[in-house]
Amino acid sequence: GENVEQHPSTLSVQEGDSAVIKCTYSDSASNYFPWYKQELGKRPQLIIDIRSNVGEKKDQRIAVTLNKTAKHFSLHITETQPEDSAVYFCAASWDGTASKLTFGTGTRLQVTL
Amino acid sequence: GAVVSQHPSWVICKSGTSVKIECRSLDFQATTMFWYRQFPKQSLMLMATSNEGSKATYEQGVEKDKFLINHASLTLSTLTVTSAHPEDSSFYICSALWTVMNTEAFFGQGTRLTVV
Repeated sequence: GENVEQHPSTLSVQEGDSAVIKCTYSDSASNYFPWYKQELGKRPQLIIDIRSNVGEKKDQRIAVTLNKTAKHFSLHITETQPEDSAVYFCAASWDGTASKLTFGTGTRLQVTL
Repeated sequence: GAVVSQHPSWVICKSGTSVKIECRSLDFQATTMFWYRQFPKQSLMLMATSNEGSKATYEQGVEKDKFLINHASLTLSTLTVTSAHPEDSSFYICSALWTVMNTEAFFGQGTRLTVV
């Protein structure tokens, strides 16, 4: 089955700096890669996703890049703000949808003032 | 976005008893829902796929007789933890597939189960 690895497990940045979180996946058939933000005690919320026919996608301060050859994808957050502090999970699935997601281990992002 | 409601948000039960957790899609119909388990500071692990009107599909290593799933309507899936033991204590979270636009999964708020 699919295996998704995520790094780093914790990340501390100063407000205004950029944050990068990286994930690698094992199954070359995976074709849908969402990123979720989970605040303490709350539900995961989709912040951005990318499909395998696209190399990069951007939404305001958030961007995701995908390298199919190397089987890794990354989340980039620019101009970080304290409210970006949360746990971020990457995930992968093989049917192009959010079905049967395999999640990464999560990254706890702390944005300090 | 679509709303998925999970109930209860937390529950404490005695060892040996059963607990039912509900997952409802409030403003859309979901033929497919998913149940995940999340241990503290760990990732979400898919337990099973719940399909309306048919049997659930369980992931490897998940005991289907222990974690009973029923998806009797297009807006409700239930997970029953039978004969709960302390090792079943965890955060259980469901998601429902919204296929109207781009097939996005919306998550419930989760249920923290503590078995004493």
